[in-house]
Amino acid sequence: AQSVAQPEDQVNVAEGNPLTVKCTYSVSGNPYLFWYVQYPNRGLQFLLKYITGDNLVKGSYGFEAEFNKSQTSFHLKKPSALVSDSALYFCAVRDREYGNKLVFGAGTILRVKS
Amino acid sequence: KAGVTQTPRYLIKTRGQQVTLSCSPISGHRSVSWYQQTPGQGLQFLFEYFSETQRNKGNFPGRFSGRQFSNSRSEMNVSTLELGDSALYLCASSRYQSAGETQYFGPGTRLLVL
Repeated sequence: AQSVAQPEDQVNVAEGNPLTVKCTYSVSGNPYLFWYVQYPNRGLQFLLKYITGDNLVKGSYGFEAEFNKSQTSFHLKKPSALVSDSALYFCAVRDREYGNKLVFGAGTILRVKS
Repeated sequence: KAGVTQTPRYLIKTRGQQVTLSCSPISGHRSVSWYQQTPGQGLQFLFEYFSETQRNKGNFPGRFSGRQFSNSRSEMNVSTLELGDSALYLCASSRYQSAGETQYFGPGTRLLVL
């Protein structure tokens, strides 16, 4: 079965510093990976995805993610964090044995302090 | 283009009652998926519909059901509500039922069962 792991429950970073939110995956075959962000009392907003091609994927709001096949990782990054980036971040993998189903990690709370 | 809409946004029910939640996908999207989000279990897949047919079902009891209409709008129903059904129910839509498609989420319906 496909799965993702987000090893950190919470990440704290100072405004203006680079941020990284970690994600590792376990899939059979080529992975289809996604990052979503959730603000309080809101649904999930799509940030970016890796399907194939360049290992560095650029997404919304200045976020990017680096796909590393050998380390089975898909870490989310941003060069300079903003206080408004504080939210709950989810990594997800497509379970291609079950159609369009997304399998989510447990989520990582990102806190950016000014 | 309007996003995914879900109604109602909030619901309070008592044990034993039933509830129906509605989801209108982004215009042109034919695939609709439902997820349950709880603090303890995280985000879990409920079911997926494409062209009015259920394509996938998650590991939930038969009390959870859904359907999709010819205009791609979807409803999910929970019968004989239990306290543990309290959750945020998220609907997501995509154009097609393919692994590379991005799922776009609605704001969710928060259900509280008393």
